[in-house]
Amino acid sequence: AQSVTQLGSHVSVSEGALVLLRCNYSSSVPPYLFWYVQYPNQGLQLLLKYTTGATLVKGINGFEAEFKKSETSFHLTKPSAHMSDAAEYFCAVTIIQGAQKLVFGQGTRLTINP
Amino acid sequence: GAVVSQHPSRVICKSGTSVKIECRSLDFQATTMFWYRQFPKQSLMLMATSNEGSKATYEQGVEKDKFLINHASLTLSTLTVTSAHPEDSSFYICSASRTSVNEQFFGPGTRLTVL
Repeated sequence: AQSVTQLGSHVSVSEGALVLLRCNYSSSVPPYLFWYVQYPNQGLQLLLKYTTGATLVKGINGFEAEFKKSETSFHLTKPSAHMSDAAEYFCAVTIIQGAQKLVFGQGTRLTINP
Repeated sequence: GAVVSQHPSRVICKSGTSVKIECRSLDFQATTMFWYRQFPKQSLMLMATSNEGSKATYEQGVEKDKFLINHASLTLSTLTVTSAHPEDSSFYICSASRTSVNEQFFGPGTRLTVL
């Protein structure tokens, strides 16, 4: 079975600082990995995903994540935080063979300090 | 492309009544739709998976007689919360996927409040 652990339920950074949101996964088969962002009272928006190929994945809004199989990690980064990045971020995993049964991490609330 | 809508966005109902939430894929045919529930400050929990024209598959612990799911067409799935109670108050989110695309597209969610 797949599982996802997001380290840190709340991360706070200053505007312009590096954003690092941690995600570790457990999967018995090669995973597909996703990062989603959720703004208050809204659904989820896909930031980026890893399926196969290049392990460094670039997404929207300047975010990127690197799939590290040896560390079973898929951490999300952004070089310079913007106030509009304040939101809830979810890491998710599913097995290869289609978008079936996403398993979500607990979520990390990102706060940006002016 | 790949837009999913939900209706209503918010609903308040009295305890004991039933509420229907619609999930529509606006610009693609969704072979599979998913229903999630999210409590405040918590993650999304999958409730059920539905494929067009077949019965939904419910996750362990989800009462199928309480949360009725119908996926009558490739663009519409409905979730009916029957005999709602205050503990059913939550944020319900649907998603949709299509064959050969390894991604789920999420709706904006429905806030259900049961008084």
